[in-house]
Amino acid sequence: AQKITQTQPGMFVQEKEAVTLDCTYDTSDPSYGLFWYKQPSSGEMIFLIYQGSYDQQNATEGRYSLNFQKARKSANLVISASQLGDSAMYFCAMRVSYNNNDMRFGAGTRLTVKP
Amino acid sequence: NAGVTQTPKFRILKIGQSMTLQCTQDMNHNYMYWYRQDPGMGLKLIYYSVGAGITDKGEVPNGYNVSRSTTEDFPLRLELAAPSQTSVYFCASSYSGLKGEQYFGPGTRLTVT
Repeated sequence: AQKITQTQPGMFVQEKEAVTLDCTYDTSDPSYGLFWYKQPSSGEMIFLIYQGSYDQQNATEGRYSLNFQKARKSANLVISASQLGDSAMYFCAMRVSYNNNDMRFGAGTRLTVKP
Repeated sequence: NAGVTQTPKFRILKIGQSMTLQCTQDMNHNYMYWYRQDPGMGLKLIYYSVGAGITDKGEVPNGYNVSRSTTEDFPLRLELAAPSQTSVYFCASSYSGLKGEQYFGPGTRLTVT
């Protein structure tokens, strides 16, 4: 069975600094995809970044990068140069190839950016 | 493009009542999903569909039903509402395959009292 774990219920970061949000996963399928979503207080879910299990390079999208360590089964999100607007809930999610209709989400991390 | 739209935005139901949450997408995605998000938690998959006429159960299907008569619409039906169904419901759609990011609707906040 696939499982996603986010162990940090809440994180604080100073504006303009970098922050790492942790995500570990468990699956026996060699082919899978990892996603990060942002959920601001307004409630919508916003896609941030994707990493495939066979991708050679770590994914990057603007200020977001994914620190993918396959052997450790971790897919941490790094946000550089934090902004006040980055304050939100962040969810890690995984989809596996044998059942790619089933996206499993972690419990989330609430990030607060301090001015 | 409107993306994924959901109605209503908010609803209060009494125990035992029924209702349908509407979801429509205009991106011609084959895959559609219904999730629920309980307070302070991540999303859990209720039902999904890989195309018109095809639906299947997700992680938490009990107490819900779905149908998919068109590519665009994927309504979620709650029969005999219970307090345990108080939650925020999200509809999402994606193109097929492992990489397909999901596009989410704005959510429906449902309270059952």
